[in-house]
Amino acid sequence: QVQLVESGGGVVQPGESLRLSCAASGYIFENYAMQWVRQTPGKGLERVAAISYDENTIHYADSVKGRFTISRDNSKNTLHLQMNSLRPDDTALYFCARDSNFDFWGQGTLVTVS
Amino acid sequence: DVVMTQYPLSLPVTLGQPASISCRSNQSLVYSDGNTYLNWFQLRPGQTPRRLISKVSNRDSGVPDRFSGSGSGTDFTLKISRVEAEDVAIYYCTQGTHWPPGTFGQGTMLGIK
Repeated sequence: QVQLVESGGGVVQPGESLRLSCAASGYIFENYAMQWVRQTPGKGLERVAAISYDENTIHYADSVKGRFTISRDNSKNTLHLQMNSLRPDDTALYFCARDSNFDFWGQGTLVTVS
Repeated sequence: DVVMTQYPLSLPVTLGQPASISCRSNQSLVYSDGNTYLNWFQLRPGQTPRRLISKVSNRDSGVPDRFSGSGSGTDFTLKISRVEAEDVAIYYCTQGTHWPPGTFGQGTMLGIK
């Protein structure tokens, strides 16, 4: 069965960096687009970044553009999100999700910037 | 980016009664392949987001048949025929037609009266 497992969250100070990972299994990873979505109590679900199956198409929310970088390693079935210059308003539960239609989600990893 | 507008944003419902949530996009969601990639999600407190409906009206595996989706073009509706306590959640619509990005509606918080 499809499984997505996020890791890498934690507590950091403003200006610091974190790298999130999402390990995929149970399907052919290289065939699907992937996305990062975050959830905050105040803003609900917010798309963060998206990457096509072949990395040719990448998109970022305006709020993270220039600070976050999405990447994938199809040989290791892993999705990454490099987050630099973190701000308090980046505090959220970060999910990875499969496909442009978000058909499967991981359980999330918590990022706290304080 | 496509803008998705949901209403109402808050929906108190009596147990056993129906509920309806609307979602409107500012562009047609009909893709060049003829499909309309409009999805509905449920976000229960403390749980992973769960997709309920894809392509307007297709229930995902394991989704109770009291959930149904309808609509076309730019106007869509999620209906719950008889609300149960476990349906308390925030519901989101999202589109995958004009991807990237996959934009979300603001979310509708369904609660029990």
